[in-house]
Amino acid sequence: SAVISQKPSRDICQRGTSLTIQCQVDSQVTMMFWYRQQPGQSLTLIATANQGSEATYESGFVIDKFPISRPNLTFSTLTVSNMSPEDSSIYLCSVERTGTGEQYFGPGTRLTVT
Amino acid sequence: GENVEQHPSTLSVQEGDSAVIKCTYSDSASNYFPWYKQELGKGPQLIIDIRSNVGEKKDQRIAVTLNKTAKHFSLHITETQPEDSAVYFCAASNSFQKLVFGTGTRLLVSP
Repeated sequence: SAVISQKPSRDICQRGTSLTIQCQVDSQVTMMFWYRQQPGQSLTLIATANQGSEATYESGFVIDKFPISRPNLTFSTLTVSNMSPEDSSIYLCSVERTGTGEQYFGPGTRLTVT
Repeated sequence: GENVEQHPSTLSVQEGDSAVIKCTYSDSASNYFPWYKQELGKGPQLIIDIRSNVGEKKDQRIAVTLNKTAKHFSLHITETQPEDSAVYFCAASNSFQKLVFGTGTRLLVSP
């Protein structure tokens, strides 16, 4: 399976500010995904990011709040904009092993908004 | 869209016992069913998966069964060990891309 890293691993931010989370994978992948996991809860898909195209957002998530970049086949960023305490969550990126449906997750970014 | 229910929410067993976690899904078009283990402070780890053309799959102490007619699938862990303690998530997908996750099961294995 791919080795996936995320930066930062955790952060504490003030409300109204923005944070950009980076996801790096050690091999080229077509599909990358961003999830949110609220404390003690399950995983919710935010958006799917394909290289060279606009990200596809799930219901309840909008580009203005969660802009995503996918500049190449090994890297993606998720920005959490104009943060409020309700954005306090773990943000996870995952990658699909091409053509299999298998998704592998990064270690997550633990965000606390005060 | 797809909806995945998972039971139980918590499960406590003694070391050496078996543990079973069950999930049901709503979309009959779903064809891929992975299970993830998430330890505290870590991302989910894919531990086993099953596709709709298979009824059962085993990997050492873990196994997954799928009943397409009833639209449910289960994770079986035998000879549980304290290091099996974690939160387990099931998921379903009908497109090999978008996964819908269950609500999670917190498994506690007591020595």
